[in-house]
Amino acid sequence: GAVVSQHPSWVICKSGTSVKIECRSLDFQATTMFWYRQFPKQSLMLMATSNEGSKATYEQGVEKDKFLINHASLTLSTLTVTSAHPEDSSFYICSANRGTEAFFGQGTRLTVV
Amino acid sequence: SQQGEEDPQALSIQEGENATMNCSYKTSINNLQWYRQNSGRGLVHLILIRSNEREKHSGRLRVTLDTSKKSSSLLITASRAADTASYFCATDATGGFKTIFGAGTRLFVKA
Repeated sequence: GAVVSQHPSWVICKSGTSVKIECRSLDFQATTMFWYRQFPKQSLMLMATSNEGSKATYEQGVEKDKFLINHASLTLSTLTVTSAHPEDSSFYICSANRGTEAFFGQGTRLTVV
Repeated sequence: SQQGEEDPQALSIQEGENATMNCSYKTSINNLQWYRQNSGRGLVHLILIRSNEREKHSGRLRVTLDTSKKSSSLLITASRAADTASYFCATDATGGFKTIFGAGTRLFVKA
């Protein structure tokens, strides 16, 4: 089956710094990838749609200047959490569609101290 | 809200019993998927059911889909302690590619 790889699986950073999370489709090309955030004991909330070669589309309430998305190739999308604060601590998951099936990365647990 | 509804929010059963979780969604869909998530971990894909299917089985899992009611159910038979996890339904809306998750059901299976 299709594999989506996400890196890192966990990261701890200091307040005010930026953190980059990578999402790669390993055996297929993905013109569109998706980024989700999950707070403890809650569901996954779609943050943004990453479009290869164009600007990402953000869901309502998600700050585009804080969560920078770059989709520079057909197999890689990156999410950068800029000027991270403790309230940004969360579980971030990416996904990519092959046909009508969604394949998810392993997730990244971000802790901002 | 972008999310669908799931019920129950939490379910506690004895090992060996069956667990049924329900999911309702809002828009027409291409397919519906069920995922399991152990605490703080990634998603495990369980089963996908397409909009033209009504029932699907995979091992101890049985999924039904009623597109007229915009609802789906996941049945886990003969539950085990290892089935303890959160279960989410997720839908891919017709005409779009976004996968939207339900609120999830937290299942606890007591040994």
